[in-house]
Amino acid sequence: EAGVVQSPRYKIIEKKQPVAFWCNPISGHNTLYWYRQNLGQGPELLIRYENEEAVDDSQLPKDRFSAERLKGVDSTLKIQPAELGDSAVYLCASSPWASGGPQETQYFGPGTRLLVL
Amino acid sequence: TQLLEQSPQFLSIQEGENLTVYCNSSSVFSSLQWYRQEPGEGPVLLVTVVTGGEVKKLKRLTFQFGDARKDSSLHITAAQPGDTGLYLCAGLTDSWGKLQFGAGTQVVVTP
Repeated sequence: EAGVVQSPRYKIIEKKQPVAFWCNPISGHNTLYWYRQNLGQGPELLIRYENEEAVDDSQLPKDRFSAERLKGVDSTLKIQPAELGDSAVYLCASSPWASGGPQETQYFGPGTRLLVL
Repeated sequence: TQLLEQSPQFLSIQEGENLTVYCNSSSVFSSLQWYRQEPGEGPVLLVTVVTGGEVKKLKRLTFQFGDARKDSSLHITAAQPGDTGLYLCAGLTDSWGKLQFGAGTQVVVTP
């Protein structure tokens, strides 16, 4: 079974430019997460989808970040315009369960490494 | 700010030695998970502990959840170079299944 697929794996852009990340979750997983992992830190949740609905976007900086999961499968995370502090690894994860249970398992993709110059 | 504090931040040991990594919080979690992350990859789930005082063993890895469900430890016996990686603990709150990650412990096992 294929895992979570993310692209691109690496992205280098200049500040103020837009950037987009794409995620394809494991087939059949209805819950999708976007995390940001800064250097030397653990992942921090940006947004969580159940099917096509964003059920938790409280940590998403909405002035410059947007996300969509139009058909409840693939998802795109966009930053416009990017700032120097956005340099990080952006991880996508998926889970077969909705609303999380005490033993929820999230399957992570390899991440997209973003460097903003 | 990380809700979960992991210690030590970095650990370098020789192959065959034992090590323990700690994960502490002032908050109570419904469950706690341990992940290992290798360079260039996403975290991979190792174990989930749910019950206070629970001990789980996975080959040479032993995981313990504190009685009050606020802390956990990971003990590796006879470490091998393949155990090298970033070990992350993550607590699951009751609120919509949101995982709170610690900053991780970087473990390096040299031959």
